[in-house]
Amino acid sequence: AQSVTQPDIHITVSEGASLELRCNYSYGATPYLFWYVQSPGQGLQLLLKYFSGDTLVQGIKGFEAEFKRSQSSFNLRKPSVHWSDAAEYFCAVGLYNQGGKLIFGQGTELSVKP
Amino acid sequence: DAGVTQSPTHLIKTRGQHVTLRCSPISGHKSVSWYQQVLGQGPQFIFQYYEKEERGRGNFPDRFSARQFPNYSSELNVNALLLGDSALYLCASSTRADRQFFGPGTRLTVL
Repeated sequence: AQSVTQPDIHITVSEGASLELRCNYSYGATPYLFWYVQSPGQGLQLLLKYFSGDTLVQGIKGFEAEFKRSQSSFNLRKPSVHWSDAAEYFCAVGLYNQGGKLIFGQGTELSVKP
Repeated sequence: DAGVTQSPTHLIKTRGQHVTLRCSPISGHKSVSWYQQVLGQGPQFIFQYYEKEERGRGNFPDRFSARQFPNYSSELNVNALLLGDSALYLCASSTRADRQFFGPGTRLTVL
């Protein structure tokens, strides 16, 4: 069965420090991979996606993610975190043979220290 | 263009009642999906509709049902509400499988 694991439930980083959020997936074929961000009480905003091609993808707000097939991982990174990045981050697998149905991880809550 | 809209924003019901949630997709989007997000968890897929036909169903009981109208808007219905149905219900619309746009959600509280 398809699944997504985000091992870190909560991460705290200092403003200006680098960030890496981990994501591992289980899927039989090459999936669509996504990172979404959710601010409190809000819907989901797409940060970036990967389907094929260059395994390092750039997204909005200075985020990037790297797809590593051998590790079934799709980790999200940002070189310098801003206080406004504090939010919940979700990794998701998109099943393109099921109309793009998304399987989400449980999320990682990011707190930013001043 | 307007994004995905959902109504109502918040809703409080009691156990055993019925609820209807509504979603209007982005103009031109023919596919609508529904997700349930329980507090502290990631969203879980409930339904997908495309051109008014159900294209996918998640692991939810028959108390959950949905439909899509000719203008591509959609309703999610939940009967015989349980406390565990309390969640944020998200609607997403899309034109293609690799990009879904989410609405702000409806917060349902069941007392």
